[in-house]
Amino acid sequence: AQKVTQAQTEISVVEKEDVTLDCVYETRDTTYYLFWYKQPPSGELVFLIRRNSFDEQNEISGRYSWNFQKSTSSFNFTITASQVVDSAVYFCALSEAVYNNAGNMLTFGGGTRLMVKP
Amino acid sequence: DSGVTQTPKHLITATGQRVTLRCSPRSGDLSVYWYQQSLDQGLQFLIQYYNGEERAKGNILERFSAQQFPDLHSELNLSSLELGDSALYFCASSPRGSQSNSPLHFGNGTRLTVT
Repeated sequence: AQKVTQAQTEISVVEKEDVTLDCVYETRDTTYYLFWYKQPPSGELVFLIRRNSFDEQNEISGRYSWNFQKSTSSFNFTITASQVVDSAVYFCALSEAVYNNAGNMLTFGGGTRLMVKP
Repeated sequence: DSGVTQTPKHLITATGQRVTLRCSPRSGDLSVYWYQQSLDQGLQFLIQYYNGEERAKGNILERFSAQQFPDLHSELNLSSLELGDSALYFCASSPRGSQSNSPLHFGNGTRLTVT
């Protein structure tokens, strides 16, 4: 069974601070995919990034960066110089490789609520 | 805008009633997924359809059912509603049926309140 844990339920920072959101996952598969989604106060779920288990390169996109460490089963997300608009709930998710007709279902972590204060 | 359309945005109904939530996937996407987001259970996968056929099932109650029509839109039917069914119901779509590397694109959700 797969499981995603986001131990930080809520984080509060002041604007311009850097913040890291932790994500730890469990899976028995050797091939799997990791995702981060953002849920702003308006409620929609916005896709941020996808990473497969064979690609351990870190990724940077503007102020966002992701650190994938297979050895510790972690896929952490860092926001540099946070802004008020970054305030949202962030979800980490896992999808195992498909060998049957199981499809592309995602297992989500419980989410981390990030509050960025001006 | 994800391109996934869900209607209605809000729904308020009474216990014991039945409701239907509707989802139109992104143009070209064949798979539709339904998720439930509640305060105590978080985001839970309910069911997936691919090109009209049920493909995967998660923690979906027997009182709930879904289907995907030939035009690829999907409906989630919730019956004998209970207070605990109050939640945000998301629909998502992806272009391929069985590959895990396609990100899901979510609609804005339908907020169901059962009173």
